[in-house]
Amino acid sequence: QQQVKQSPQSLIVQKGGISIINCAYENTAFDYFPWYQQFPGKGPALLIAIRPDVSEKKEGRFTISFNKSAKQFSLHIMDSQPGDSATYFCAASGYAGGTSYGKLTFGQGTILTVHP
Amino acid sequence: DVKVTQSSRYLVKRTGEKVFLECVQDMDHENMFWYRQDPGLGLRLIYFSYDVKMKEKGDIPEGYSVSREKKERFSLILESASTNQTSMYLCASSHRSDRGSNEQFFGPGTRLTVL
Repeated sequence: QQQVKQSPQSLIVQKGGISIINCAYENTAFDYFPWYQQFPGKGPALLIAIRPDVSEKKEGRFTISFNKSAKQFSLHIMDSQPGDSATYFCAASGYAGGTSYGKLTFGQGTILTVHP
Repeated sequence: DVKVTQSSRYLVKRTGEKVFLECVQDMDHENMFWYRQDPGLGLRLIYFSYDVKMKEKGDIPEGYSVSREKKERFSLILESASTNQTSMYLCASSHRSDRGSNEQFFGPGTRLTVL
């Protein structure tokens, strides 16, 4: 079974600090790596995504770092704010000779708490 | 504003009951998905559909079935609910992409409790 392993399971950061969440994957056919953000009582929503042809993608305070050789990618949240408190999921998608229909394999999730 | 709606936010059922969870999207998406979300396990794919009347098993299809009679509607059916199916159920939809990179839009979820 394709897997994406995410760590840590929970993370507490002070306001203004850097939050880092890591993911590792096994399937080399994966070629799309999104991060989803979920607030309590809501469904997940796409936050940022990367393809393996670049090693880094930045959108505002959020950055994905990608290491293809290690099969790892991470989310960095700079200047973390209490409003960033949420559950974060990494995911991966790809296909091996066929259409994937956009299926995503999700990590286990990280509950981020940013203290004021 | 794109929208995925789910028929119930909270649902309580008894063991052995047949349960229907409904999902509707208004974005004319080809793909629709059903996940269950459990603490520490992330989101696990139950079934997905890439067209009307078409369905594919996900990672944990046992105990579930699905129906997609119209493009905008995707139903998850628990034929005989069991306590281990107590969970948060999330529906999502996306446009079709051969590269699998299209954003999935999620509904708010249905928290199902089976007693």
